[in-house]
Amino acid sequence: GQSLEQPSEVTAVEGAIVQINCTYQTSGFYGLSWYQQHDGGAPTFLSYNALDGLEETGRFSSFLSRSDSYGYLLLQELQMKDSASYFCAVRPVGTNAGKSTFGDGTTLTVKP
Amino acid sequence: DVKVTQSSRYLVKRTGEKVFLECVQDMDHENMFWYRQDPGLGLRLIYFSYDVKMKEKGDIPEGYSVSREKKERFSLILESASTNQTSMYLCASRLEGAIWYEQYFGPGTRLTVT
Repeated sequence: GQSLEQPSEVTAVEGAIVQINCTYQTSGFYGLSWYQQHDGGAPTFLSYNALDGLEETGRFSSFLSRSDSYGYLLLQELQMKDSASYFCAVRPVGTNAGKSTFGDGTTLTVKP
Repeated sequence: DVKVTQSSRYLVKRTGEKVFLECVQDMDHENMFWYRQDPGLGLRLIYFSYDVKMKEKGDIPEGYSVSREKKERFSLILESASTNQTSMYLCASRLEGAIWYEQYFGPGTRLTVT
C-alpha cells in the first residue's frame, strides 16, 4: 500500500521561507506532485518531481529524494495569499489512469 | 485553459434519496476522477474512469457508483444517501499520457445529507 505523511499545520510570517515535508511509504511510484488548495477552492497543481532533486517554479520549489523516501515543498518570500492547504501526492507504479494517493494535507498560515 | 465544472456547489439531500453529482470537462481528457474530501483525511479516491464506459474502483467505493457515457461527463451516484456521505466531493480530469502528472479539479460540491 501507499501512505504519505505531512505535518497537519505550519505557521510562518510574511516574507519568510517555509518547508513542508512529505514522507512516504510506497513500493514504487512515478513521481511526487504538490497541490495547493485555498479555503473553499479547488486544488490546483503546483509541481511535479519525476526524478530526484530540486524543481523550481518562481517562489515555489519542490524536492524529491527516493533513497530517503522524502520530499518537500519550499515556499520563499511568503505572501499572505500563500495561506492555504498543501497536498503531496504519488502515483504508484502499476496503477491505471494516473490514479494517485494524496497526503492528508498541511494547512499553512502566513501571518503579517 | 482546462475547465472542470460540477453541477452544484451546495446540495442538501435527505437520507435514502438517490443523489446524482455531475462533472463535465472541456479538454477531451480521457481520465476522470471522483474524490471526497473530509477534514483531516485529505482527498480519498472514490472511483475513476480511464475512458468512456470504463471505470475502476478507488479506495472508498462503497455506497457509490459512477457512469461515464460520454467522454466529457463523469457522474457520481449515491444510490441511497446516508449521513456519513456528508462531505465535499471533488471531480478531476487528466490527459492520458501527459508527462506532467497534473489533475485539473472542479470547484467541488458540498453535499449535506440530513
